[in-house]
Amino acid sequence: EAQVTQNPRYLITVTGKKLTVTCSQNMNHEYMSWYRQDPGLGLRQIYYSMNVEVTDKGDVPEGYKVSRKEKRNFPLILESPSPNQTSLYFCASSPQGVGGYTFGSGTRLTVV
Amino acid sequence: AQSVSQHNHHVILSEAASLELGCNYSYGGTVNLFWYVQYPGQHLQLLLKYFSGDPLVKGIKGFEAEFIKSKFSFNLRKPSVQWSDTAEYFCAVTGGYNKLIFGAGTRLAVHP
Repeated sequence: EAQVTQNPRYLITVTGKKLTVTCSQNMNHEYMSWYRQDPGLGLRQIYYSMNVEVTDKGDVPEGYKVSRKEKRNFPLILESPSPNQTSLYFCASSPQGVGGYTFGSGTRLTVV
Repeated sequence: AQSVSQHNHHVILSEAASLELGCNYSYGGTVNLFWYVQYPGQHLQLLLKYFSGDPLVKGIKGFEAEFIKSKFSFNLRKPSVQWSDTAEYFCAVTGGYNKLIFGAGTRLAVHP
């Protein structure tokens, strides 16, 4: 089944403790992206990657890092999480230049 | 810069009522347009998309949308809503670099 898999689904952590949210897709898509969803703000792009070893900042990149060492994986790294990063995070992928995204199931992160 | 505006943040309807959700975008170039739905506790699913051709697009679950280029609009419609349509609806647009930009979302509640 074609899908985008995120882990974990739920995570509660403390301020400053480094964490990684994994994202993997099995559709051989070139383009992958991370979004955060906050009430009243819709989804905002954090980082995106157009292909392996090619990543760039989205609209709200502060406090996040990403890497794209393999085509299928695009982990999101929070080096020192803060409470304002409490949010619902979605990973998405699409074929290059098409724009029809497939979304993962989401990761609800709480930073206390 | 690209942006997407959804006029209604909350909509409450009774079953069998007609639905129209407004969406306007700002972007001077060629765009691809999307409507996504997010059922409670779930990830985003694609309802319909417009790339080119017939400006009246039909999607899943009886939804349709009309692209009016002169008005920069892509409104979502459904003639008769059901309780199961209760969800949050997001309009989105891609312009350059496959970046998907979302509106803030519209929460729809359908009462039996």
